[in-house]
Order: sequence, then C-alpha cells, then structure tokens
Amino acid sequence: GDSVTQMEGPVTLSEEAFLTINCTYTATGYPSLFWYVQYPGEGLQLLLKATKADDKGSNKGFEATYRKETTSFHLEKGSVQVSDSAVYFCALSPAGTSGSRLTFGEGTQLTVNP
Amino acid sequence: EADIYQTPRYLVIGTGKKITLECSQTMGHDKMYWYQQDPGMELHLIHYSYGVNSTEKGDLSSESTVSRIRTEHFPLTLESARPSHTSQYLCASSEGGLAIGEQFFGPGTRLTVL
Repeated sequence: GDSVTQMEGPVTLSEEAFLTINCTYTATGYPSLFWYVQYPGEGLQLLLKATKADDKGSNKGFEATYRKETTSFHLEKGSVQVSDSAVYFCALSPAGTSGSRLTFGEGTQLTVNP
Repeated sequence: EADIYQTPRYLVIGTGKKITLECSQTMGHDKMYWYQQDPGMELHLIHYSYGVNSTEKGDLSSESTVSRIRTEHFPLTLESARPSHTSQYLCASSEGGLAIGEQFFGPGTRLTVL
C-alpha cells in the first residue's frame, strides 16, 4: 500500500538557519503530495502542495518540489524563525482521489531557538 | 466565519462509558474525515464520508462508528470506551468534486480513558 517516510526528528535549529526535512513516498501512479503543519494545541494546516511531477509548492518561505524519479518531496526553508517551531507532516493522496484519503508520514518536530 | 469545530477539546472518562465526539463545519464541504493521532504524533485515517448518508472505514481499524445525517455534522461514537482508545482525534473536511482539495482540520479532541 501507499506509504510516506519522513526524516527522523526532532530537529533543533538556531534562528536564520537553513531547514531541510526529507520526505519520500511509495505509491502507484502520480499521487498528490502535501506538507501540513501542526502548531502546539492546534489542528493541522496545509502548508503547501504539488499535484504533478516537477511541480514546486511554496508558501511562507517554505518550498518543496515533487520529484518523481526519486519519489521525494523534501521541505526546505532558507531562514527559519522561532515562529516556525511546530510539527511538520508530509502526506500523499492517491491519484484520482481529489486530495482525499491522505496518508501521513510520522511527523517531524521542529524547534527553532532564538 | 467558516470554520470546523470539535467538542469537547478534552475528555477524561472511565472504562465502559459511551462517548460521542462532535465535529461540525460551516464551510459547506461534502467530504469529512476522522483521524486518530498517536502520542508519537502519527496520524491514521479511521473514517471518512463523501456526503450525507455516506460513511466508509479508513486505513486504521477502529471500534468507533460514525454517522452523516447532515452535511455539516460528522459525529464519532465509541459504544464502550477502553484505555486503548486513549488518543487525540482530529476531524477534517474538504470540498467535493474532482479538484485536489485542501483538508481543513479542527483543533482536535484529546481523549483519555481511565
């Protein structure tokens, strides 16, 4: 079945450091790929998405590129802030399901220190 | 304001009790979902609905049941709570149709069964 694997956490960075959170997936065809973020005590929010190969999703300084050849969707940000401290989830939705039936990775806890 | 609501936010209950977790959305979305979030953060889809009178089981087997009598309401019921049901439960919704839609999440209900 479909699966998503994220880099092991937690990740601790200093403010203005470069962030990469790795995400790889296993799925048939061309799934849609997402990054969701969960701030403490809240539900998840969509951060960015990509629906076909080579698409780049971007939002709030975060970027991720859909790489079919490496089945990856790594999250990057050039300069993190304390306010970026949260749990980040990579997720996929099988082709043809219109973003439904999300399969999530394990989540990566990010802490940014001033 | 269009939003998705979950009540209660926190619930501590004894073994054997029947409980219902409420989820309502005011966004007019056709699709709704329930996820169970482990203490280690991983999320699993346990139920979903594509519209009124439509409910399906998700990827993780759950002893809970759901109903969808109204578009905006998707309650989850446990007939007899057990300590193994202790978890965080997240409700989400998304638009219908074929477009790749964002899922909007509620703040969650943290359930503890003693």
